[in-house]
Amino acid sequence: DTGVSQNPRHKITKRGQNVTFRCDPISEHNRLYWYRQTLGQGPEFLTYFQNEAQLEKSRLLSDRFSAERPKGSFSTLEIQRTEQGDSAMYLCASSREWGETQYFGPGTRLLVL
Amino acid sequence: DAKTTQPNSMESNEEEPVHLPCNHSTISGTDYIHWYRQLPSQGPEYVIHGLTSNVNNRMASLAIAEDRKSSTLILHRATLRDAAVYYCIATSGSRLTFGEGTQLTVNP
Repeated sequence: DTGVSQNPRHKITKRGQNVTFRCDPISEHNRLYWYRQTLGQGPEFLTYFQNEAQLEKSRLLSDRFSAERPKGSFSTLEIQRTEQGDSAMYLCASSREWGETQYFGPGTRLLVL
Repeated sequence: DAKTTQPNSMESNEEEPVHLPCNHSTISGTDYIHWYRQLPSQGPEYVIHGLTSNVNNRMASLAIAEDRKSSTLILHRATLRDAAVYYCIATSGSRLTFGEGTQLTVNP
């Protein structure tokens, strides 16, 4: 399967703990996006990368959130000092270039207790 | 991104056509119209996109109004697997701005 993969698929953590999610985009896709989706809502944009450069960050991405894409391949999204409001599905997508179709992974569902 | 308006829910019968409407009255000339759908517990899936002309692919057809202020996603023969939330997005940028979408129910 050459689609976008995300790990882990589910994560349960206690408030105050740090969590890290990984996204592996489709091979040779230069652009990588992170979105967050809460129950009953559509996904909300968080940030995106062009290769290893992080080009845009949403206001939703507080200073507790950090994303990286070393060497322009996989990406990680870390949430420090998790809060119950961080409970959501975190989605990753990739595209070849600007304006091209974004392909989404299955998401990582986070539950903060 | 232009704001889009979609009905909260629609219902269809299996093997019948489905027309899912979307209003985007503030769309700019460079905004593409994208449709994605999302099945339960899955990430969104690309369906189709267009700029001005009607578009067809193996999944669906996209009919765009002449003034581009509205569009309609057409599923020619709905199947049970088409039951999902359908999102209409109008954007010229990299980010996709999702609304709440239309929950499509397909009855057997």
